[in-house]
Amino acid sequence: AQTVTQSQPEMSVQEAETVTLSCTYDTSESDYYLFWYKQPPSRQMILVIRQEAYKQQNATENRFSVNFQKAAKSFSLKISDSQLGDAAMYFCAYRSGNTGNQFYFGTGTSLTVIP
Amino acid sequence: NAGVMQNPRHLVRRRGQEARLRCSPMKGHSHVYWYRQLPEEGLKFMVYLQKENIIDESGMPKERFSAEFPKEGPSILRIQQVVRGDSAAYFCASSPLGQGAVVDEQFFGPGTRLTVL
Repeated sequence: AQTVTQSQPEMSVQEAETVTLSCTYDTSESDYYLFWYKQPPSRQMILVIRQEAYKQQNATENRFSVNFQKAAKSFSLKISDSQLGDAAMYFCAYRSGNTGNQFYFGTGTSLTVIP
Repeated sequence: NAGVMQNPRHLVRRRGQEARLRCSPMKGHSHVYWYRQLPEEGLKFMVYLQKENIIDESGMPKERFSAEFPKEGPSILRIQQVVRGDSAAYFCASSPLGQGAVVDEQFFGPGTRLTVL
């Protein structure tokens, strides 16, 4: 089974600064998708950004961008101009493009934004 | 278009009782996924269902857990004879597309927090 690793249980960032959350994954597949989900205290899972593995260009959504390194199996999330509302748990997730539709999630990174 | 609905949001059961968790997918979605989130952990896949069919239950415990998605009505995750270790948040997600699709985003419900006393 695929594994997703988030090695930073907790991170903090000053408001308006930039922070990068790390994620690595292990797979033998060439076709897959990667996601970052945000889980605020309400526990709702909110999609932040996604990346198709066949695309070389890094995905960007407003203040959120990724650094996708396919050879290194790395998928980090950069949050620019951090806002208080960005405080949440962030989960990295992997989905195969070939076999099934289940997501594999990392254990999460708790992000604190310091005013 | 209402999002994925889950009820109840909080459920308390005593050991040995049954727990029934309901999930209504988004309108037009016929694929439902159940995930479990233990404290301090990420979500773990349990089961993937389409209407009237279980497609993948590789993440379901072999005993006491069952799931269904009938032709009419919500998907139900049923846990019989609950134990304290079943205490967790259970998330449902729905998707309009299925296996083999180019990309399908899974839309998550707010979760049901099960507490077993």
